[in-house]
Amino acid sequence: GENVEQHPSTLSVQEGDSAVIKCTYSDSASNYFPWYKQELGKRPQLIIDIRSNVGEKKDQRIAVTLNKTAKHFSLHITETQPEDSAVYFCAASGTSYDKVIFGPGTSLSVIP
Amino acid sequence: DTAVSQTPKYLVTQMGNDKSIKCEQNLGHDTMYWYKQDSKKFLKIMFSYNNKELIINETVPNRFSPKSPDKAHLNLHINSLELGDSAVYFCASSQVGGDYGYTFGSGTRLTVV
Repeated sequence: GENVEQHPSTLSVQEGDSAVIKCTYSDSASNYFPWYKQELGKRPQLIIDIRSNVGEKKDQRIAVTLNKTAKHFSLHITETQPEDSAVYFCAASGTSYDKVIFGPGTSLSVIP
Repeated sequence: DTAVSQTPKYLVTQMGNDKSIKCEQNLGHDTMYWYKQDSKKFLKIMFSYNNKELIINETVPNRFSPKSPDKAHLNLHINSLELGDSAVYFCASSQVGGDYGYTFGSGTRLTVV
């Protein structure tokens, strides 16, 4: 089955710097790659997603890139702000109704 | 107007008890899920229902039994609770399976003492 790895497990950056979180997946049939943000004590929320027919997607300060050949995808956050502090999960899923497999999460701290 | 609502938000109970968690979504989604988040924040799928039909049933002890009376509701009943069941349980819903993004409920923090 699908396995998703995520690095780093913790990340501290200064406010205004960029943050990059990297994920790899094992199942070449996976074709949908969402990213979720979970603030302390809250529910995970979808922040951006990418499908396998797209190499890059951007939404304001966040962007996601996908390398299908290498089975890598990454989240980039620019101009980080303290409210970006949270746990970020990458995930991968295959065909419709297939389960979404989450990575273990990255705890991001943005230091003012 | 909450999109995916779970009750209760907190549940503290003794070992051996039976408890239920309820979930309702008003998004018109076809698919609903239960995920377990352990103390290390790892999110693991337990069950998935599409239009009241069970489609994913992970390796979960049979003490856990989901029930979907209609496509807007997915409940989770747990028998003979054990200490290791302590976790946060999230309900989620999506349209046409997982590849359209999930909307999560606010979670139920279950503590077994």
